[in-house]
Amino acid sequence: AIRMTQSPSSLSASIGDRVTITCRASQDIYNYVAWYQQQPGKAPKILIFAASALQSGVPGRFSGSGSGTDFSLTISDLQTEDLATYHCQQYHSYPLTFGGGTKVEIK
Amino acid sequence: QVQLQESGPGLVKPSETLSLTCNVSGISITSGYYWGWIRQPPGKGLEWIGSIHHSGSTFYNPSLESRVSISVDTSKNQMSLKLKSVTAADTAIHYCARRGDFGDSFDRWGQGVLVTVSS
Repeated sequence: AIRMTQSPSSLSASIGDRVTITCRASQDIYNYVAWYQQQPGKAPKILIFAASALQSGVPGRFSGSGSGTDFSLTISDLQTEDLATYHCQQYHSYPLTFGGGTKVEIK
Repeated sequence: QVQLQESGPGLVKPSETLSLTCNVSGISITSGYYWGWIRQPPGKGLEWIGSIHHSGSTFYNPSLESRVSISVDTSKNQMSLKLKSVTAADTAIHYCARRGDFGDSFDRWGQGVLVTVSS
C-alpha cells in the first residue's frame, strides 16, 4: 500500500497567516492527490482534487500543488472557520490511503 | 442536492457482525458513480474500507477484505456495509461517500455514524 506521510501533525497560526501543510507519498503517484477539511464533529469535505484543482464552492484562499511524491496544501489568508483537521489522500492505486492528518489551531 | 445518510446500530458485541446502511438521495445510485465506505477511529485518521459500483464491481481494502462485504440495493437507492467478527479495534465513525468525477476522491460524504464494539 502507498503510505502518505503528512506534516506537521498540528500547527497553530494567527488569523491572516499563510499556512502550508505537506504530504509525501511512498512512491510516485503523479497528481492523484486530494485534500480534505474536517471541521470538529463533522464529516470530511473535499477541497482539492488532482493535486491542484479547486473543488467547486471552495474559497480561493485554498490551493494545492505538487506532483510525483511531494504535495502541499496552502491556506493563504487563515480565517477562524479554517479551524479543522486536514487530510491528504492518494487515489493512484488501491488500497486508497490517507495521511495522518494535520490539526490547524488558531492562535 | 445529493445527500448521504448512514444508519445502523451504534453498539455491536465483539465477534458479531457490524451492519450499516447508507441511504442516498438526490441522485440515483445507478447514475454511474462509485460509492464508498471510510472509517475513522475516535481521534485518529481516515481508513478506506471499500468501494462499489451499482454493476457489482467492488474494491476492498486488503486489510479488511476477509471480513467485509459491500452491496447495493438499487430498489431502495441504498448501499450497505457488513463487517464480520468485529473487535474493539473496529470501533470507529463510519462514513459513506460518493466518488467524484475525477478519480477515486470523494466529493460527497454522509454525516457519519459511530459504531462502538463492546460487550
